[in-house]
Amino acid sequence: GAVVSQHPSRVICKSGTSVKIECRSLDFQATTMFWYRQFPKQSLMLMATSNEGSKATYEQGVEKDKFLINHASLTLSTLTVTSAHPEDSSFYICSATPGGPSGNTIYFGEGSWLTVV
Amino acid sequence: DAKTTQPNSMESNEEEPVHLPCNHSTISGTDYIHWYRQLPSQGPEYVIHGLTSNVNNRMASLAIAEDRKSSTLILHRATLRDAAVYYCILRGNNAGNMLTFGGGTRLMVKP
Repeated sequence: GAVVSQHPSRVICKSGTSVKIECRSLDFQATTMFWYRQFPKQSLMLMATSNEGSKATYEQGVEKDKFLINHASLTLSTLTVTSAHPEDSSFYICSATPGGPSGNTIYFGEGSWLTVV
Repeated sequence: DAKTTQPNSMESNEEEPVHLPCNHSTISGTDYIHWYRQLPSQGPEYVIHGLTSNVNNRMASLAIAEDRKSSTLILHRATLRDAAVYYCILRGNNAGNMLTFGGGTRLMVKP
């Protein structure tokens, strides 16, 4: 079946540096991907909608200059956390779907743990 | 998006059936009912979805009330690997492919 893959699964970076997380749809094309963030013991919160070939749409309260999203191809979206701080430490998850009506399945990546030290 | 209400947690014994309820009294006629589950340190995993009729697949069954204001996810024989947070989510035609997650139900399975 359709698979969405994220890389890296875990990353540790120093405060003030930037880190990039990739989200790939392995056997289908996705014009839209979504990025979520999840803190421990909490639910997933949508950060932004990644649109292939155009600017991402960010949810209220999410800084677009801090969380840079690039969706350069139909199978790859990247999330770059710039000038990372310890409070950015979280579980980041992407999702994508082959598209179609709202009954279609949405597939999630395995998630990426970011620890900022 | 229409809201769903689920119990925070439930407990089950291994190899017994589990019924996970979800209330969605403000559901609209075009909202699909989706269930996802999230195992620890993993991304959510699709379980099942339906619109009006009950649905069965290899993972679970979905029982939808006649008025569609509630639904129940049924795991026929719980295993330890079913311990996860289960999310009931409504997805409307205008929601695109975005999902809005509520708190979900944390299922604990006792051996």
